[in-house]
Amino acid sequence: EDQVTQSPEALRLQEGESSSLNCSYTVSGLRGLFWYRQDPGKGPEFLFTLYSAGEEKEKERLKATLTKKESFLHITAPKPEDSATYLCAVQRDDKIIFGKGTRLHILP
Amino acid sequence: DSGVTQTPKHLITATGQRVTLRCSPRSGDLSVYWYQQSLDQGLQFLIQYYNGEERAKGNILERFSAQQFPDLHSELNLSSLELGDSALYFCASNPWGNLNTEAFFGQGTRLTVV
Repeated sequence: EDQVTQSPEALRLQEGESSSLNCSYTVSGLRGLFWYRQDPGKGPEFLFTLYSAGEEKEKERLKATLTKKESFLHITAPKPEDSATYLCAVQRDDKIIFGKGTRLHILP
Repeated sequence: DSGVTQTPKHLITATGQRVTLRCSPRSGDLSVYWYQQSLDQGLQFLIQYYNGEERAKGNILERFSAQQFPDLHSELNLSSLELGDSALYFCASNPWGNLNTEAFFGQGTRLTVV
């Protein structure tokens, strides 16, 4: 069965304390793995697409990596404005599956 | 602002009723996606339309239906509503015909069924 699991469910960090969020998946025929950021009461905002194992993408303090079984979203020296829920999704030709997200809270 | 507009923002209705949610995609986007987000299920893909035609179907219930009009706006119709249908409903859009998770999301419609 196709599945996406994100961990941890919630994470509290001090400002400047780097960490990683995990997205593990089991899906046949992966067409892409996607990361989104969602602020409370708003729609998800697209961050990255990764297509193949070994691929990496960066944007400001965020870096996403992909292996054959999981993806990591590394957050370097986070700021309070990075607080949000981070969603991971995998796609096959005919299906999109989102994980339940990691709620990240950065304390000033 | 993503450029995707959803109305209404909030909707409260009774069980057994029918509602229509509306979405206007970003200018130039031909694909519209509908998603349901609930606390226990997370974000679930419902359906994709491209230039007026259904392109992909996810976990959409038979009580739910959607359509995309010639001006590219889309409507999601939810009927025989149940308490469990209470959720945030998001619309997203992108330019592509093939199913693609990379999209711009609207602010959502919060549906409460009482």
